[in-house]
Amino acid sequence: AQSVTQPDIHITVSEGASLELRCNYSYGATPYLFWYVQSPGQGLQLLLKYFSGDTLVQGIKGFEAEFKRSQSSFNLRKPSVHWSDAAEYFCAVGDSSYKLIFGSGTRLLVRP
Amino acid sequence: GAGVSQSPSNKVTEKGKDVELRCDPISGHTALYWYRQSLGQGLEFLIYFQGNSAPDKSGLPSDRFSAERTGGSVSTLTIQRTQQEDSAVYLCASSPRGGSTDTQYFGPGTRLTVL
Repeated sequence: AQSVTQPDIHITVSEGASLELRCNYSYGATPYLFWYVQSPGQGLQLLLKYFSGDTLVQGIKGFEAEFKRSQSSFNLRKPSVHWSDAAEYFCAVGDSSYKLIFGSGTRLLVRP
Repeated sequence: GAGVSQSPSNKVTEKGKDVELRCDPISGHTALYWYRQSLGQGLEFLIYFQGNSAPDKSGLPSDRFSAERTGGSVSTLTIQRTQQEDSAVYLCASSPRGGSTDTQYFGPGTRLTVL
């Protein structure tokens, strides 16, 4: 069965510093991979997605993610974090149907 | 255009009462999803509607949970005889076609508290 692991429950970075959020998945075939962000009181917003092709995916708000099949990973990165990036981030894997399996999320705190 | 809307935003109820949660999807989206987000957990799939097809109810945790979608648009999630473990944020999402590569657009959720 598919599963998604986000090993970091909380991450704190200073504003302007780089960010990497980890995501590992378990899926037998080529996965469809997603990163969503949830700000307080808001629904989830899609940051980026990977289906095939170039393994480095660009998203909104300056985020990018790299699919590494050998490591079963899809880590999210941003070169310089802004205070407004403080939120909870969810990685998800889709199967061949419509279901998304979500990780438990990583809460990002940004130090001024 | 308007996104996915959900009502109420917050609901406090007493154990044993029934509750109804409403979702208005993006106009024209044929697929609609319900998820549950418990404290400190990821999102748990509950139910999926696609057009006039029979819904996929495989994620509903018990027979106290039911959902319907009227006219291919608005959906209502009903929880009967609520229990404290039902306390969670219930998120609705819609997507244009419902396929595996569809982007799901989420509403702000309904926070349910069962006392």
